Amino acid sequence: SQTIHQWPATLVQPVGSPLSLECTVEGTSNPNLYWYRQAAGRGLQLLFYSVGIGQISSEVPQNLSASRPQDRQFILSSKKLLLSDSGFYLCAWARDRVGYTFGSGTRLTVV
Amino acid sequence: AQKVTQAQTEISVVEKEDVTLDCVYETRDTTYYLFWYKQPPSGELVFLIRRNSFDEQNEISGRYSWNFQKSTSSFNFTITASQVVDSAVYFCALSDSTGNQFYFGTGTSLTVIP
Repeated sequence: SQTIHQWPATLVQPVGSPLSLECTVEGTSNPNLYWYRQAAGRGLQLLFYSVGIGQISSEVPQNLSASRPQDRQFILSSKKLLLSDSGFYLCAWARDRVGYTFGSGTRLTVV
Repeated sequence: AQKVTQAQTEISVVEKEDVTLDCVYETRDTTYYLFWYKQPPSGELVFLIRRNSFDEQNEISGRYSWNFQKSTSSFNFTITASQVVDSAVYFCALSDSTGNQFYFGTGTSLTVIP
């Protein structure tokens, strides 16, 4: 069966520090991978998606970047965090229009 | 443009009451997919149902039921005999025919009071 791992679960980082959130998928190959952010208003905002290794599409211009170094690995990064980067970050994978499977999320607080 | 609207921001019901969560969508595609997800306090999003645009049959799964009406572009979700464990934020979502792009509503926060 397919599983998705996301870590860390919580993170507190100072403004200006770098960020690296990792997401890995098991049990499937060539998944579409996604990073979403959920701000205090609860809405889900698509940040990045990837249909293959090295292929990244950005939905919203921002302080963040994403990379896909391996087929089942998706990384969300920032060189310098802003206060506005605080939120709940969700990684997801999807295949064959079944729907997303989400990771357990990372709650990021920038202080 | 694709869009999903969940007009109900917050709903509170007393345990054992029935509750319907509304979802209205916009799309110009003839083939598309609709979804409902549940987000309990833990934060993880849980897949509940997928419906394609060619299947307007209503679906029932235990206490959950879904009413898909293309004429009104709605995909409403009803919980019968609600329970405290149903308390969560519920998201309706729309995807295009490729399934690669999803559009989420802003969610409805449901609180079931014991």
